[in-house]
Amino acid sequence: EVQVVQSGGGLLQPGGSLRLSCAVSGFRFSSSWMHWVRQAPGKGLVWVSEINDDGSITTYADAVKGRFIISRDNAKNTLYLQMNSLRAEDTAVYYCAALSAPLDPWGQGTLVTVSS
Amino acid sequence: EIVLTQSPVTLSLSPGERATLSCRASQSISNGYLGWYQQKPGQAPRLLIYGASNAATGIPGRFRGSGSGTEFTLTISNLEPEDFAVYYCQQYDRSPRTFGQGTRLE
Repeated sequence: EVQVVQSGGGLLQPGGSLRLSCAVSGFRFSSSWMHWVRQAPGKGLVWVSEINDDGSITTYADAVKGRFIISRDNAKNTLYLQMNSLRAEDTAVYYCAALSAPLDPWGQGTLVTVSS
Repeated sequence: EIVLTQSPVTLSLSPGERATLSCRASQSISNGYLGWYQQKPGQAPRLLIYGASNAATGIPGRFRGSGSGTEFTLTISNLEPEDFAVYYCQQYDRSPRTFGQGTRLE
């Protein structure tokens, strides 16, 4: 059974930092690209970042480039998103996802709220 | 980046009817690298269709995807009560990955 369990969300002040984690089991994590997708309250899905299977290639949406860092630990089957210099507009539910097919596991989502 | 525009924004139908959702891309998507997702309130999205027309694992046959180039369609036949949700298209032809803005099926 595939399981994707996220952790690390919370309430932060503008300018703060936070690290999200995403533990994957029952899926070919170490051979898969992985992604972070976010969804602001009441809004649609927005792709945030991706990382290739061995962590050597990373890509970011312009809105987070230079502030967020995606990484992975294949020995722990875990994906990370280090979020720095947080802004109010980063408030969203963050999902980790494989964005693969025909099996496309997603985490349950974790809420990050940036507010003073 | 490839912009995906979905229509209609909201679709009002009844159980048993057929839903037709559209996704238009600002540039041609190669090899049909387009997927459709369903999202219900409080839940993560679920992949329905990949490669424009292939059903994902465990997806009922009433969900069908079609299209190529810049025009794609998701058709849901004989709507069931559990099908009322928000649907997103997503392209994976070019980076950055992009999603459409969603169609709410109510």
